[in-house]
Amino acid sequence: SQQGEEDPQALSIQEGENATMNCSYKTSINNLQWYRQNSGRGLVHLILIRSNEREKHSGRLRVTLDTSKKSSSLLITASRAADTASYFCATDQVFGNEKLTFGTGTRLTIIP
Amino acid sequence: DAGVIQSPRHEVTEMGQEVTLRCKPISGHNSLFWYRQTMMRGLELLIYFNNNVPIDDSGMPEDRFSAKMPNASFSTLKIQPSEPRDSAVYFCASSFNFRGYGYTFGSGTRLTVV
Repeated sequence: SQQGEEDPQALSIQEGENATMNCSYKTSINNLQWYRQNSGRGLVHLILIRSNEREKHSGRLRVTLDTSKKSSSLLITASRAADTASYFCATDQVFGNEKLTFGTGTRLTIIP
Repeated sequence: DAGVIQSPRHEVTEMGQEVTLRCKPISGHNSLFWYRQTMMRGLELLIYFNNNVPIDDSGMPEDRFSAKMPNASFSTLKIQPSEPRDSAVYFCASSFNFRGYGYTFGSGTRLTVV
């Protein structure tokens, strides 16, 4: 079964609005990562947040992590058409060697 | 840096044929991962290597699948014989072998078995 489950599965917003995606996971983690996948392409690493961190920023991206709820959120501010992609969370589990387990993804569409 | 290089980009083959997918990781990365992506099952880890040694192959679906990493700059994933249900996009990714680093993915190989 998937370690991470993203919510919502699909999201459509107007350009310029903020987009928020959520990820829930099941077991204790060392870190959680977010990736973007454009159609027909490989995944691109966006940001990593460690289990002892609560919030992290990178440009227009803001990630939060709540280990007590086993959940994370990715906020993209001032969205652009180029942000249209699928977004995946991935977890590095405490007892999972170093491999990442990916969630099911959120399909984000930015409407110009 | 050219990134993770996979070949071929597309492969169409007939059921029963052997298929070999290739991957060149980023120089200096010593962990390599093979993933399979389908609409139904999402991204599944098939196998991963650390310093050219297979560490976890629990995701390899069956004996028809095999993977090798003869040196730090090359890996192959072989399917023999191929079946229509193997149709998917296969990704190779590489990383440093300690926690706290993200993966760099290749562009993938889209495999279609007819």
